[in-house]
Amino acid sequence: QKEVEQNSGPLSVPEGAIASLNCTYSDRGSQSFFWYRQYSGKSPELIMFIYSNGDKEDGRFTAQLNKASQYVSLLIRDSQPSDSATYLCAVNWDSGGSNYKLTFGKGTLLTVNP
Amino acid sequence: DAEITQSPRHKITETGRQVTLACHQTWNHNNMFWYRQDLGHGLRLIHYSYGVQDTNKGEVSDGYSVSRSNTEDLPLTLESAASSQTSVYFCASSRLAGYTQYFGPGTRLTVL
Repeated sequence: QKEVEQNSGPLSVPEGAIASLNCTYSDRGSQSFFWYRQYSGKSPELIMFIYSNGDKEDGRFTAQLNKASQYVSLLIRDSQPSDSATYLCAVNWDSGGSNYKLTFGKGTLLTVNP
Repeated sequence: DAEITQSPRHKITETGRQVTLACHQTWNHNNMFWYRQDLGHGLRLIHYSYGVQDTNKGEVSDGYSVSRSNTEDLPLTLESAASSQTSVYFCASSRLAGYTQYFGPGTRLTVL
């Protein structure tokens, strides 16, 4: 089983600030990286994915990937109270015979204070 | 719209009983997954399937089984429910293995 590590938090930021969420992973062969948001009592929903080194922006969200450092991050600009949730990092890996699976981190709880 | 549904949404059962949780998706995805989510453990993979008649064990498969007779459904069976199986269960599906997974709403199972 591959490892995906996230700081469990809680990470608390004021409204309007930038929230930075981090994730490290153990498998150098991983190719795809995903950020999910999970509100309390709800199921995970995909925010964005990233495959290539560098930054990928989608609205207020930016995913950053550094494969050499085995590190992926999610930046949330202009944080809103509605962004308060647990953010899950997921990383794919080859379990053999090109059978890829996802491993999820335990998540970081983000609280945005009005 | 395509979707993934789970039933029941809440279930209370007794130790030793057999329980089946349903998962149905209309995405026509070949890949389907069952996870359990517990505080302090995150999402843990129970079983998964890459297509009809294909099933595989995940990291926490003891006490659980699945069968895949069609593309749309992957029911999860607890053969003899134990209190340690009290959890929230999520079903997910994906078009490509190892890529974006879409989650159902979850089933909260309590074993007394």
